[in-house]
Amino acid sequence: DTGVSQNPRHKITKRGQNVTFRCDPISEHNRLYWYRQTLGQGPEFLTYFQNEAQLEKSRLLSDRFSAERPKGSFSTLEIQRTEQGDSAMYLCASSLAFGGTEAFFGQGTRLTVV
Amino acid sequence: KQEVTQIPAALSVPEGENLVLNCSFTDSAIYNLQWFRQDPGKGLTSLLLIQSSQREQTSGRLNASLDKSSGRSTLYIAASQPGDSATYLCAVRTSGSRLTFGEGTQLTVNP
Repeated sequence: DTGVSQNPRHKITKRGQNVTFRCDPISEHNRLYWYRQTLGQGPEFLTYFQNEAQLEKSRLLSDRFSAERPKGSFSTLEIQRTEQGDSAMYLCASSLAFGGTEAFFGQGTRLTVV
Repeated sequence: KQEVTQIPAALSVPEGENLVLNCSFTDSAIYNLQWFRQDPGKGLTSLLLIQSSQREQTSGRLNASLDKSSGRSTLYIAASQPGDSATYLCAVRTSGSRLTFGEGTQLTVNP
């Protein structure tokens, strides 16, 4: 399977704990994006990378959130000191690095903070 | 700030019916528009991508149109089937690289 892969698919954590999600993009794609989706809403942009450089961050990405893409391949999204409001589906997408290209999404990581 | 609106929020139709989903956006300076399908609890599956210079794209029973000047797109589904039941999301790419999504249309096709 050469699609976008996200792990884990589901994560339940207690409030105050740290969690980390992983995304493996389509191999030839140099752009990688993170989005967050709550129930009944469309996805909201969090951040994106071109290769290993983080080029844009949404104001939704508070200081408890950090994303990395150390070698320009896979990416991790870490949430520190989780809050119940962080419960959502976290989606990763990848694309080639010019404006007119199609974005492909993974299956998402469903986070539940209890 | 780009805003995307999808109408209707929900739609229920009998199998075999042709249907149209609507998407509007406030900033016409877009690079492209993409339609996605999302099944419950799953990720997004790309259906069609329309570049800003294009008027429409077709894939099988799906046809998407784009009128950039009026800020509108439609997704036409022909001969709907129960397997088409899902949420359909419209997203536009404007400045930078982010996609801005609508809230989706939840489609139910009844056998």
